[in-house]
Amino acid sequence: DAKTTQPPSMDCAEGRAANLPCNHSTISGNEYVYWYRQIHSQGPQYIIHGLKNNETNEMASLIITEDRKSSTLILPHATLRDTAVYYCIVISGFQKLVFGTGTRLLVSP
Amino acid sequence: DGGITQSPKYLFRKEGQNVTLSCEQNLNHDAMYWYRQDPGQGLRLIYYSQIVNDFQKGDIAEGYSVSREKKESFPLTVTSAQKNPTAFYLCASSIQGTLSYEQYFGPGTRLTVT
Repeated sequence: DAKTTQPPSMDCAEGRAANLPCNHSTISGNEYVYWYRQIHSQGPQYIIHGLKNNETNEMASLIITEDRKSSTLILPHATLRDTAVYYCIVISGFQKLVFGTGTRLLVSP
Repeated sequence: DGGITQSPKYLFRKEGQNVTLSCEQNLNHDAMYWYRQDPGQGLRLIYYSQIVNDFQKGDIAEGYSVSREKKESFPLTVTSAQKNPTAFYLCASSIQGTLSYEQYFGPGTRLTVT
């Protein structure tokens, strides 16, 4: 059963920020939010994860709402190479990663 | 360079034949995974192994078999019992013993069975 809901597709202009939303209204207190992306015909790539606090790394920022029922992945300056399917995953303990259908982000010139 | 290799990138087989997909990693990771991806779909877990000589079924193990004789290697055999074997197969690995769910993926093998 899917624990997350993501829009099927989004568009973004090159150089602008891409904000990808994810709803996880049934998330429990010990569950993490993980983001992966998959460029066409390649294996998925880990991007970032968080529990309660906002997180930032060299690839992206993750904003988690205070009630933890939703989050947003931010690519601050999207490039054409960021065109991919982005997966939001909620997980804890000994659960296995479950990849849904994600959001297909298209970055255009 | 450290990473995961899968070979071959494309594989073609006739229906009724078994085929083995290779997955090798030099990241010194304990855990390894096999996923299947169909067009427009997310990844589904076939088998995973947390340690050498041990593995567990994932969500869609029927028609597949694996072995884990070495830490670096986790080959997947697609048997003739798998009803719809044509798919994109992805291997991954991760560190065990931590709460990290960061998995490193190989480039994948696209299997076509006719």
